Amino acid sequence: SYVLTQPPSVSVAPGQTARITCGGNNIGSKSVHWYQQKPGQAPVLVVYDDSDRPSGIPERFSGSNSGNTATLTISRVEAGDEADYYCQVWDSSSDHYVFGTGTKVTVL
Amino acid sequence: QVQLVQSGAEVKKPGASVKVSCKASGYTFTSYYMHWVRQAPGQGLEWMGIINPSGGSTSYAQKFQGRVTMTRDTSTSTVYMELSSLRSEDTAVYYCARGQYCTNGVCYNNWFDPWGQGTLVTVSS
Repeated sequence: SYVLTQPPSVSVAPGQTARITCGGNNIGSKSVHWYQQKPGQAPVLVVYDDSDRPSGIPERFSGSNSGNTATLTISRVEAGDEADYYCQVWDSSSDHYVFGTGTKVTVL
Repeated sequence: QVQLVQSGAEVKKPGASVKVSCKASGYTFTSYYMHWVRQAPGQGLEWMGIINPSGGSTSYAQKFQGRVTMTRDTSTSTVYMELSSLRSEDTAVYYCARGQYCTNGVCYNNWFDPWGQGTLVTVSS
């Protein structure tokens, strides 16, 4: 089955840039979506199709995808960005949906 | 606005079954697939399966094959997820999430948005 690997944690100071990676075999050939989950809340879509933002999501959130790594970038990090982040793809070979292992972003 | 409202928390004994509901509003119910995702305490997100509310067809993650059943009621715009033979490891928050939009055999928007508020299922003797 297809596996998506994320770093368990990323720490960043306010105003700096956080980069969260999502590794998978030839992930660049797939569409990657990203979700933000704050404690006690349901996940929220923050980036879809590698780099598009849903309405209402700040421009500070951006994404890229190439080769074996997709990346979610949060610019000018704010305290309110502290959350768990998950990447997700659809694996055509199994017709299953796969989530990454999740990354906890801590704002110092 | 698009909204998914799930049923309340459940406490079940090992070996029992649980049925969680998810009522959709704010869009054409039969035009979008619906996913079920669960999250064990302190753990990540785990995809369980998907249902097409239009025809009722389903696809389940291999891990849950034989134990999960997803159904829908188009008259009330509600999807259901039933999990049987419960064990302690099934203790988790269960989410429904709207999936892709399909028309004329082509599907778009292959992501999860929005999500229901979640339903805590506790399995304990």
